Amino acid sequence: AQSVAQPEDQVNVAEGNPLTVKCTYSVSGNPYLFWYVQYPNRGLQFLLKYITGDNLVKGSYGFEAEFNKSQTSFHLKKPSALVSDSALYFCAVRSASGGSYIPTFGRGTSLIVHP
Amino acid sequence: SAVISQKPSRDICQRGTSLTIQCQVDSQVTMMFWYRQQPGQSLTLIATANQGSEATYESGFVIDKFPISRPNLTFSTLTVSNMSPEDSSIYLCSVEGGLAGAGDTQYFGPGTRLTVL
Repeated sequence: AQSVAQPEDQVNVAEGNPLTVKCTYSVSGNPYLFWYVQYPNRGLQFLLKYITGDNLVKGSYGFEAEFNKSQTSFHLKKPSALVSDSALYFCAVRSASGGSYIPTFGRGTSLIVHP
Repeated sequence: SAVISQKPSRDICQRGTSLTIQCQVDSQVTMMFWYRQQPGQSLTLIATANQGSEATYESGFVIDKFPISRPNLTFSTLTVSNMSPEDSSIYLCSVEGGLAGAGDTQYFGPGTRLTVL
């Protein structure tokens, strides 16, 4: 079975400071990993994904995520937070080597960026 | 990426009635998914809908309650039947990849916010 843990329900950061939203996963074989963002009253928007290759993945809106196989983590980062980054962030995982092609989503982390 | 629209965007319904949610994609896709997102919670997959075959439902969801149609490669509907207040939720349509069905990124519609009184 595959699973995702987002240990923080909420992350608070001041505008201009770096931000990190944590995600750890469990999956059989190699993972495909995803981050999505959900703004209020909107659907999920795809931010970035890790499939293979470089462990540091760059995505939309200046976000990046680092795949760490030994720690089974895929933390989302941004060097300088904006107030407009305030939203709900979801990490997702699926197996790259068979099994379910449907990703499992974490419970979400609410990011609040203070002016 | 696929552009997905959903209708209605929100609705308030009475207990015991049914609501059909439409999902339209701007390109042909093999796999479409319906999710439910209850307030403050993560996404729960209701069913997978592939064109030309019956939908596959996840544990806890049944066809009588959530009938799904998939008449072509760009459109699907989800009906929430005999609604109760517990059905109040956001319903999200999602697609994966393109015709090959081997794509690895899911794209989501804007969601339908349902309130059942």
